[in-house]
Amino acid sequence: EAGVTQFPSHSVIEKGQTVTLRCDPISGHDNLYWYRRVMGKEIKFLLHFVKESKQDESGMPNNRFLAERTGGTYSTLKVQPAELEDSGVYFCASSQGAGTWGDNEQFFGPGTRLTVL
Amino acid sequence: AQSVSQHNHHVILSEAASLELGCNYSYGGTVNLFWYVQYPGQHLQLLLKYFSGDPLVKGIKGFEAEFIKSKFSFNLRKPSVQWSDTAEYFCAVKVNWNAGNMLTFGGGTRLMVKP
Repeated sequence: EAGVTQFPSHSVIEKGQTVTLRCDPISGHDNLYWYRRVMGKEIKFLLHFVKESKQDESGMPNNRFLAERTGGTYSTLKVQPAELEDSGVYFCASSQGAGTWGDNEQFFGPGTRLTVL
Repeated sequence: AQSVSQHNHHVILSEAASLELGCNYSYGGTVNLFWYVQYPGQHLQLLLKYFSGDPLVKGIKGFEAEFIKSKFSFNLRKPSVQWSDTAEYFCAVKVNWNAGNMLTFGGGTRLMVKP
């Protein structure tokens, strides 16, 4: 069974440009999460999809970040325009079930390392 | 809001030494607790988790952790580390006060095991 995949693995862009990150969850997983780790800091939650709906987007830093999950399958996270402080590793995770509390292990992807120059 | 503290940012041990990584969280209600590990060049993967029941939980690769509710702690232990345990370890908490499943992570501990 394929795990969570993310594309690209690395992205280097200039300040002001746009970048789109993609996450493909494990097939059949209703829950999809985005997290971010800025260098030297902890991994922080960005948002949570249940199927195609945003369940919780309380961690999104500002309106330059837009996440979508069309059809409840893969998800994209767009940063427009990118700023220097957006640099970091963006992780995607997925878990089974539509329930919000319970033994639903989150499986993580390898992350996308974003560098904004 | 809940938070998670990992007190050791870097730990260096020799093979066969015992390991204990500290993790404390700040939340007074019911929690689920996790330890994740990221080996060099690999994904974050789950080492072990606590949901309820026996506060001493055993995970993969000989790791265990003990939930001490009175101390808000969930320390990770291994009696004898190996070179292959070199990795970054993350403690995480999930709380049930909201409808979401978000994990709150600690800052991570980088473990280097010298052969």
